[in-house]
Amino acid sequence: EVQLVESGGGLVQPGGSLRLSCAASGFTFSSYWMSWVRQAPGKGLEWVANIKQDGSEKYYVDSVKGRFTISRDNAKNSLYLQMNSLRAEDTAVYYCARDGYGEDFDYWGQGTLVTVSS
Amino acid sequence: DIQMTQSPSSVSASVGDRVTITCRASQGISSWLAWYQQKPGKAPKLLIYAASSLQSGVPSRFSGSGSGTDFTLTISSLQPEDFATYYCQQANSFPRTFGQGTRLEIK
Repeated sequence: EVQLVESGGGLVQPGGSLRLSCAASGFTFSSYWMSWVRQAPGKGLEWVANIKQDGSEKYYVDSVKGRFTISRDNAKNSLYLQMNSLRAEDTAVYYCARDGYGEDFDYWGQGTLVTVSS
Repeated sequence: DIQMTQSPSSVSASVGDRVTITCRASQGISSWLAWYQQKPGKAPKLLIYAASSLQSGVPSRFSGSGSGTDFTLTISSLQPEDFATYYCQQANSFPRTFGQGTRLEIK
């Protein structure tokens, strides 16, 4: 059974940093692109970033470029999102998702809440 | 960026009804479109990929169609568990973008 479990969310002040983690199991992690998708409270879904199987390609939404860094450790079956210079508008539930072969997101974690507030 | 526009934003329907949700892309995306269902407090669930392919385990009352810029998600006979919010997502180019969502409510 595919499982994705996020951790690392919490309350952080504007300008602060946070590192999210996603532990994957039930599939060959190193064979899939992986993504982070977020959802602000009461709002829709926003794709944040994704990373190729070997980490050689990474893509970001413009609003996080230069502030967020996606990475992975295939030996640990883990995906990460380093978030720096956080802003109030980054407040959201952050989901880890597996990229399906149709360039969709076929499995999702339960999400971790990041709140940026003073 | 490709903008995805869903209509309607919300719809009320009854159990057994047939419901259609539309999604329009601001430029052609071939068949690179997915549909998701999300219930309150839960992660989204993939229903349809490549515009019309049913994800494994999803009931056959869900179907998708379209290509280019115009797409539809149809639920042939609504069941109580189908009341949720539905999102389309383009997979043609980066950044991946979602529609604003369609809330399906019980009439």
